[in-house]
Amino acid sequence: SYELTQPPSVSVSPGQTASITCSGDKLGDKYSCWYQQKPGQSPVLVIYQDTKRPSGIPERFSGSNSGNTATLTISGTQAMDEADYYCQAWDSSTGVFGTGTKVTVL
Amino acid sequence: QVQLVQSGSELKKPGASVKVSCKASGYTFTNYAMNWVRQAPGQGLEWMGWINTNTGNPTYAQGFTGRFVFSLDTSVSTADLQISSLKAEDTAVYYCARGSGSTGGVYFDFWGQGTLVTVSS
Repeated sequence: SYELTQPPSVSVSPGQTASITCSGDKLGDKYSCWYQQKPGQSPVLVIYQDTKRPSGIPERFSGSNSGNTATLTISGTQAMDEADYYCQAWDSSTGVFGTGTKVTVL
Repeated sequence: QVQLVQSGSELKKPGASVKVSCKASGYTFTNYAMNWVRQAPGQGLEWMGWINTNTGNPTYAQGFTGRFVFSLDTSVSTADLQISSLKAEDTAVYYCARGSGSTGGVYFDFWGQGTLVTVSS
């Protein structure tokens, strides 16, 4: 079955840039999206179709996808961005979530 | 505004059944697929499958066949998840999530608040 692998954790200082990777076989040939989940809350879509931001998502969130890796970048990270982040893609009509990355803002 | 409101937490004994409901509002229910996602305690997100809200045709992910059933009541814009023969390992938060976009590029743009199902004797 298809797998998406993320680093378990990423640490970033306030105001700096956080990059979260998501690796999967030929992921660049598929659409990727990203979800933010804060403790005790439902996931929130932050990036869809590789690079698009839903209405209401700050511009500091951006995405890219090429080769075997999709990347979520948070520029000028704020304390409120501390959360778990999950990538997601489709393989043979099956939805697949990444393993998840905990972003800590130190 | 789009809302997905799920039914409340459930405590069930092993072997019992449970139904989780997801009531949609703020959009035309039959224009968007409904997906189900599981999150076990302290774990990541797991896609369970989806149901075509036009035809009622369900699609189940591997590992969610047999005991899991997706259904609809389009008259009240509600999607249901029923789990039978509950096991301790079914203990999790279950989310409904609206699917937008087209095949290969579907994304989950709105989520329910989640329903905690606890299976314990």
